[in-house]
Amino acid sequence: NAGVTQTPKFQVLKTGQSMTLQCAQDMNHEYMSWYRQDPGMGLRLIHYSVGAGITDQGEVPNGYNVSRSTTEDFPLRLLSAAPSQTSVYFCASSDSVPGLAGGTDTQYFGPGTRLTVL
Amino acid sequence: SQQGEEDPQALSIQEGENATMNCSYKTSINNLQWYRQNSGRGLVHLILIRSNEREKHSGRLRVTLDTSKKSSSLLITASRAADTASYFCATDTQAGTALIFGKGTTLSVSS
Repeated sequence: NAGVTQTPKFQVLKTGQSMTLQCAQDMNHEYMSWYRQDPGMGLRLIHYSVGAGITDQGEVPNGYNVSRSTTEDFPLRLLSAAPSQTSVYFCASSDSVPGLAGGTDTQYFGPGTRLTVL
Repeated sequence: SQQGEEDPQALSIQEGENATMNCSYKTSINNLQWYRQNSGRGLVHLILIRSNEREKHSGRLRVTLDTSKKSSSLLITASRAADTASYFCATDTQAGTALIFGKGTTLSVSS
């Protein structure tokens, strides 16, 4: 199994450009999520999905869109990139929704995408 | 706002010493997890402790949970240089369905 894969690994954008960060997992996990990691801020949840067709907002959703048309894929779209979106983005998946009784809750993380917005 | 906060922010020790990191959180939880992140890499799950558990062990790792104080600690015994990494606690939210991470403790183990 490849686990969780993310593309691209690095990306430089100009302010106002749009792009899609790709995330895919081959573990048949229902739960997927996107985080951004900034120095001194830890990881902050952007969006998450509990299954195909179902998404919800996390702590910092503004400026980002997601969709979940298949179990495997969970792309993150930047609509109009801003310098404040310069960050490292991590995608994660799990076989259970966090907090549900009996779930493993273990999140499997991708290697990250380092995004710079000029 | 973030659910968990780790303490200390940074910790430097010698090989062979024990490392203790603490995590405090704000609201009731079902589970608390600890993750490790090596520089430039994604996070890796270390251990999960449920709200009805007080202590859990995995190899050189020992995790405790005190729900009355809303706090957890991660102890790494006999540290090695390879333990150098950032360590994060993560909790589910009160409403469930999302996992919230703290800001992390950066551990440096020198030989």
